[in-house]
Amino acid sequence: GDSVTQMEGPVTLSEEAFLTINCTYTATGYPSLFWYVQYPGEGLQLLLKATKADDKGSNKVFEATYRKETTSFHLEKGSVQVSDSAVYFCALSVDDKIIFGKGTRLHILP
Amino acid sequence: GAVVSQHPSWVICKSGTSVKIECRSLDFQATTMFWYRQFPKQSLMLMATSNEGSKATYEQGVEKDKFLINHASLTLSTLTVTSAHPEDSSFYICSASIVTGNQPQHFGDGTRLSIL
Repeated sequence: GDSVTQMEGPVTLSEEAFLTINCTYTATGYPSLFWYVQYPGEGLQLLLKATKADDKGSNKVFEATYRKETTSFHLEKGSVQVSDSAVYFCALSVDDKIIFGKGTRLHILP
Repeated sequence: GAVVSQHPSWVICKSGTSVKIECRSLDFQATTMFWYRQFPKQSLMLMATSNEGSKATYEQGVEKDKFLINHASLTLSTLTVTSAHPEDSSFYICSASIVTGNQPQHFGDGTRLSIL
């Protein structure tokens, strides 16, 4: 069945480091792909999305490219801040159902 | 835009009590809303899909008599945990989509339910 696999955390980085959180997916159709962020005690916020192959989802600081050939949607940010500490969920949507990865906890050290 | 409000954000109650959680789409109409449950440090588990004016579709293993879902209007869905017990303690999150077709869901802030 459809599934999302993302790197296990926690990931610990120093401030201003480059961030990559890997995400790969398995889907029978043509899913849309998303990254969501969850801050402690809060719900999920949409970070970015991509709806077709080679689309680059971006919110100006985070980005991820929909790679059909490698079935991947890795999240990247050039320079992380302490405020980026959160749990990041990769997700896919097919037939209006959303399937989440297990989440990657990110700790940024000042 | 696309704001989903969930209430209450935190509730503590005694075992055997029924608890109602509301999920509202504030600035859009949501034909479909979703209810998730999240255990500590885990991903979200879809409990049910709620369609306005019809019965909810429950995922396998979710007790429909335990978790009652009502979607009476295009802006409101409710989840009632009936006769709650400590094992029902969890973080419950709702979401809504503006339109169908693999569009992003917009999430409420979640409700932390603690059953004593």
